[in-house]
Amino acid sequence: EIVLTQSPTTMAASPGEKVTLTCLASSSVNYMYWYQQKSSASPKLLIYYTSSLASGVPDRFSGSGSGTSYSLTISSMEAEDAAIYYCLQLTSTPLTFGSGTKLEIK
Amino acid sequence: QIQLVQSGPELKKPGESLKISCKASGYTFTDYAMQWVKQAPGKGLQYMGWINTQTGKPTYADDFKERFVFSLETSASTAYLQINNLKNEDTATYFCATHPAFAYWGQGTLVTVSS
Repeated sequence: EIVLTQSPTTMAASPGEKVTLTCLASSSVNYMYWYQQKSSASPKLLIYYTSSLASGVPDRFSGSGSGTSYSLTISSMEAEDAAIYYCLQLTSTPLTFGSGTKLEIK
Repeated sequence: QIQLVQSGPELKKPGESLKISCKASGYTFTDYAMQWVKQAPGKGLQYMGWINTQTGKPTYADDFKERFVFSLETSASTAYLQINNLKNEDTATYFCATHPAFAYWGQGTLVTVSS
């Protein structure tokens, strides 16, 4: 099973600040997927195929990486970006999620 | 537009069974597999497995090979999650999701198991 380790576990950012979240895989994966979850709502797809922006997602979000190291970047933090972010790998079964990064607004 | 609508919250006692539904609309039901995800209170997302909507074959993650059953009613574009012999640790919100990139999610079904 591929384990995804997200860091940091929790962080706070000021409006306008650049934010980078990391997801490290225990084995190489082909692509990474990123989701945003607010409160107890359903997760929302942000990034697919590592760097493709999902429909309707603001372009301040971007993804990058390869192999075992991936990141999600918010170029300029906004209050509405406060949420928990999860990475997901679809390369190897069982599919696995990271444990999440909680992002708060300062 | 693609929508997944799940059945309402459930309150059950240990040892009972339940069946959650996930009704799909806005696409051809058999075009995409249906995935199931568990989220315990205050915890992260846990992948449960998936069901092939063309063949009906389910595949379970290791933690969900006992007591959990995925099924379909293709004519109604509906997927089901059945949990047998409920335990306190089954208390969680259960999500269905579809599309290869998990692009579409149901609203979640809160299951509470308590004596």
